[in-house]
Amino acid sequence: QKEVEQNSGPLSVPEGAIASLNCTYSDRVSQSFFWYRQYSGKSPELIMSIYSNGDKEDGRFTAQLNKASQYVSLLIRDSQPSDSATYLCAVFHASGGSYIPTFGRGTSLIVHP
Amino acid sequence: DADVTQTPRNRITKTGKRIMLECSQTKGHDRMYWYRQDPGLGLRLIYYSFDVKDINKGEISDGYSVSRQAQAKFSLSLESAIPNQTALYFCATSDLFGDTQYFGPGTRLTVL
Repeated sequence: QKEVEQNSGPLSVPEGAIASLNCTYSDRVSQSFFWYRQYSGKSPELIMSIYSNGDKEDGRFTAQLNKASQYVSLLIRDSQPSDSATYLCAVFHASGGSYIPTFGRGTSLIVHP
Repeated sequence: DADVTQTPRNRITKTGKRIMLECSQTKGHDRMYWYRQDPGLGLRLIYYSFDVKDINKGEISDGYSVSRQAQAKFSLSLESAIPNQTALYFCATSDLFGDTQYFGPGTRLTVL
């Protein structure tokens, strides 16, 4: 069983601060890593993907990947109340010759004014 | 129009009833997935299909079956619904690379 672990939170940060969300995974050969945002009662939407070690930046979001430590994180700079949501980490792992996703349980983020 | 649609959006049924959830997509993707989401448990994969003739069990397939009627349609059936199948169900698609998932709006299923 491939595992993806996230702290369920809630993580509470003040508006304008940096929110740091973390995810660890068990399958050392996992290749693709994703962060999705999900508002309550809505479907998940992709924020970022990352495939190589290091940082990847997109606007206020930065994904960080460390395959040696089996760790992927998401930083949200200048957090806004509209960022309040659950953030899901997804990791693709090999299964029967293909790659399929395993999602973490999600971290609830609350950005307070 | 939405790229991935699910019907019904909400359903209340009774224990022992057969129910089908339907998913349609206009994205032209070959890969389709069914997930269930329970509070605090994230998304768990039920079944996935990489083309019309390819059906695979996911993490939690017991009690469920699927049918891939066409490239654009992927249905999930509960042959005899039970209360612990009460959950939010999502359909998703992806292209041949199979990475980015595009989710439907979800079906909220309640089994009494």
